[in-house]
Amino acid sequence: EPEVTQTPSHQVTQMGQEVILRCVPISNHLYFYWYRQILGQKVEFLVSFYNNEISEKSEIFDDQFSVERPDGSNFTLKIRSTKLEDSAMYFCASIFGNMDSPLHFGNGTRLTVT
Amino acid sequence: DQQVKQNSPSLSVQEGRISILNCDYTNSMFDYFLWYKKYPAEGPTFLISISSIKDKNEDGRFTVFLNKSAKHLSLHIVPSQPGDSAVYFCAASSASGGSYIPTFGRGTSLIVHP
Repeated sequence: EPEVTQTPSHQVTQMGQEVILRCVPISNHLYFYWYRQILGQKVEFLVSFYNNEISEKSEIFDDQFSVERPDGSNFTLKIRSTKLEDSAMYFCASIFGNMDSPLHFGNGTRLTVT
Repeated sequence: DQQVKQNSPSLSVQEGRISILNCDYTNSMFDYFLWYKKYPAEGPTFLISISSIKDKNEDGRFTVFLNKSAKHLSLHIVPSQPGDSAVYFCAASSASGGSYIPTFGRGTSLIVHP
């Protein structure tokens, strides 16, 4: 069964550094998402992406964050200048486009900012 | 603001017994509800869903009940098995506006004892 893949599984970075989290959504899916989960807290929506542009974003997704689909397969989340509070699990997800179909999630990237 | 609430952070059940996980929501525009299951070091995986036009949906050992007037849904697992031990997330979304961005609860950690 096709799956969403995320790399790396764990990323450690120093405060102020830029990080890029990578995702390969399921190939025929059209809608892409980033969620994050801070340890012990709920899964929070960051941004959705469709047709090569952001369709919605949350208040968490400030100017430090950006997303890109640089080619036909990758979907990336960039954090320009990481802060300690950016430490979390970041999940990429995708759906084909049926509005009542569930999201397919990757296994996440654990980002640790020191 | 917690639009989707899972008030029990954990639940412990004996193997073979029923597990009941509860979820409350506040947004009356939500019309599609999902349960995801999450094992450690993995992303959430879709378990079962229900649309607001139904009050029950069953899939094998898993049944979701929806009480729209109470804005409450529950997931029943019968019989519970040790492999069901995981974190269960309730999620809700609204088809209005054409977007599909589920809002997640904080999760309930289910432990099924042999």
